[in-house]
Amino acid sequence: DGGITQSPKYLFRKEGQNVTLSCEQNLNHDAMYWYRQDPGQGLRLIYYSQIVNDFQKGDIAEGYSVSREKKESFPLTVTSAQKNPTAFYLCASSASLTGEQFFGPGTRLTVL
Amino acid sequence: GENVEQHPSTLSVQEGDSAVIKCTYSDSASNYFPWYKQELGKRPQLIIDIRSNVGEKKDQRIAVTLNKTAKHFSLHITETQPEDSAVYFCAANSGYSTLTFGKGTMLLVSP
Repeated sequence: DGGITQSPKYLFRKEGQNVTLSCEQNLNHDAMYWYRQDPGQGLRLIYYSQIVNDFQKGDIAEGYSVSREKKESFPLTVTSAQKNPTAFYLCASSASLTGEQFFGPGTRLTVL
Repeated sequence: GENVEQHPSTLSVQEGDSAVIKCTYSDSASNYFPWYKQELGKRPQLIIDIRSNVGEKKDQRIAVTLNKTAKHFSLHITETQPEDSAVYFCAANSGYSTLTFGKGTMLLVSP
């Protein structure tokens, strides 16, 4: 299960606070992704990045922001503008957009 | 954009039976169809995938079939075992674009 890590495993946040989720990979992959998983909703794409210093919005980008300053790292910030942020967040990486995606262990975010 | 429908949402079988999960997609340009297995509280992991130039692919007890004309693909698990119990996701990649996932099928294999 090595190669892509996420931290923390569990995160609690008060309403109105921004919070940043970490994602690191040592697979030398160019592409990285953030997904949100809710019960019965599958995996929904938040943001993705094909190369350093470039990223694109996915299907549900509102209330989230990302950066890609290093190839290995793709942090996700959940802002106070996200109305319903409680969910399981998964980071993934792949050698290319058309290649197999490898997932991290996930971060479960709960808004109190 | 791509739309992926997955059925059934839940599937219960007896150990040793076969299980079939079906997905349909909307974009005729889709050319990559992976299947992921997610055990409770764990990360999704790729179990098998197929590309549009192949109609069927097998890996031990798991097989995937693709019908490009009808725009659907299926996962077949034979001789199911309790450890096959998990949520299974299909996905489709349309050309040079990101994956779109189905909503998942919860498979329960009873001993």
